Amino acid sequence: NAGVTQTPKFQVLKTGQSMTLQCAQDMNHEYMSWYRQDPGMGLRLIHYSVGAGITDQGEVPNGYNVSRSTTEDFPLRLLSAAPSQTSVYFCASSQRVNYGYTFGSGTRLTVV
Amino acid sequence: AQTVTQSQPEMSVQEAETVTLSCTYDTSESDYYLFWYKQPPSRQMILVIRQEAYKQQNATENRFSVNFQKAAKSFSLKISDSQLGDAAMYFCAYRSVQETSGSRLTFGEGTQLTVNP
Repeated sequence: NAGVTQTPKFQVLKTGQSMTLQCAQDMNHEYMSWYRQDPGMGLRLIHYSVGAGITDQGEVPNGYNVSRSTTEDFPLRLLSAAPSQTSVYFCASSQRVNYGYTFGSGTRLTVV
Repeated sequence: AQTVTQSQPEMSVQEAETVTLSCTYDTSESDYYLFWYKQPPSRQMILVIRQEAYKQQNATENRFSVNFQKAAKSFSLKISDSQLGDAAMYFCAYRSVQETSGSRLTFGEGTQLTVNP
């Protein structure tokens, strides 16, 4: 099993550009989430999904969109990149609520 | 909404000694899950240990153990016989048992652990 795969690992964007961070898991997990990690702030939830076709906003959703058309994939779209979106982004998946999340290796995004 | 607080931004320990990382949380729920994650310089998030709130017995995983005090809403991590490979950022996290809100992990700010040889 590959676990949770995130691509790309690094990305530099110019302000105003859009892009999609890819996330795929091969464990048939129902729960998937996107977090961003900023220094001194831990990880903050952007969007999450409890199954295919079901998504909801987390703590910091502004400027991001998600969709969950399949169980395996949960892409995160940046609509119009801003310097405040410079961060490390993690995708994670989980089988049930009583399990921990399995995390991808992260994407370091810089917006200039 | 639940909150998780780690009051120690940085900690250090001598190799082979024991260190305890603190975590407190706030919740109105009676059942939930608590986790400690480790993030080494590779930035990979690694699950260290898990505790179910309905279990009174403290969880242990090899050199890692927790002190879970439900009434005090405290969940500390003890690392025994510290090794150089334990150096990392450690995050405490809370997860509800509810199907929808249980999809969220709420993290503390993290504690950076240094292990001195």
